[in-house]
Amino acid sequence: EAQVTQNPRYLITVTGKKLTVTCSQNMNHEYMSWYRQDPGLGLRQIYYSMNVEVTDKGDVPEGYKVSRKEKRNFPLILESPSPNQTSLYFCASSLSTGENEQFFGPGTRLTVL
Amino acid sequence: KQEVTQIPAALSVPEGENLVLNCSFTDSAIYNLQWFRQDPGKGLTSLLLIQSSQREQTSGRLNASLDKSSGRSTLYIAASQPGDSATYLCAVRHYSGAGSYQLTFGKGTKLSVIP
Repeated sequence: EAQVTQNPRYLITVTGKKLTVTCSQNMNHEYMSWYRQDPGLGLRQIYYSMNVEVTDKGDVPEGYKVSRKEKRNFPLILESPSPNQTSLYFCASSLSTGENEQFFGPGTRLTVL
Repeated sequence: KQEVTQIPAALSVPEGENLVLNCSFTDSAIYNLQWFRQDPGKGLTSLLLIQSSQREQTSGRLNASLDKSSGRSTLYIAASQPGDSATYLCAVRHYSGAGSYQLTFGKGTKLSVIP
């Protein structure tokens, strides 16, 4: 089944404890991205990747890192999480940039205490 | 900067009614527009994708239209059902510089269909 998977689905952590949220897609998509969703603010793009070893900042990149060492995986790294990073995170992928439909993962609900 | 607005923010209708959800965007230079459905605490399910060269797309009881020049899209839901209750999100794909494309979302319309 073609899908985007994220792990973990739920995570509670404490300020300053490094964490990684994994994202994987099995559709051989070139383009992958991370979003966060907050009440009243909607979905905002954190980082995106147009292909392996090609990443760039979205609208709200502060406090996050990403890597794209292989096509199928695009992990989101929080080196030193803070309470303002408590949010619902979504990973998405599409065949390429431009005209293609984006497919979303199920989301990761992160709480930073 | 591209901005996407969805009106109304919430909508409640009786079962069986036809309804229209609205989406507007400020920059008409888009590549496509996508409508999503989001159930509470869940991910996004793609409903319809309209390329910039298209005027509408249909899937079952759903019909989405696009008027790029005026910066508007509508999602028409026919014969609404309680199972249609969800938040509907509109997103436009546009060029964001350096050879990349960005998806900008509206804040959604929360639909409740009353049995």
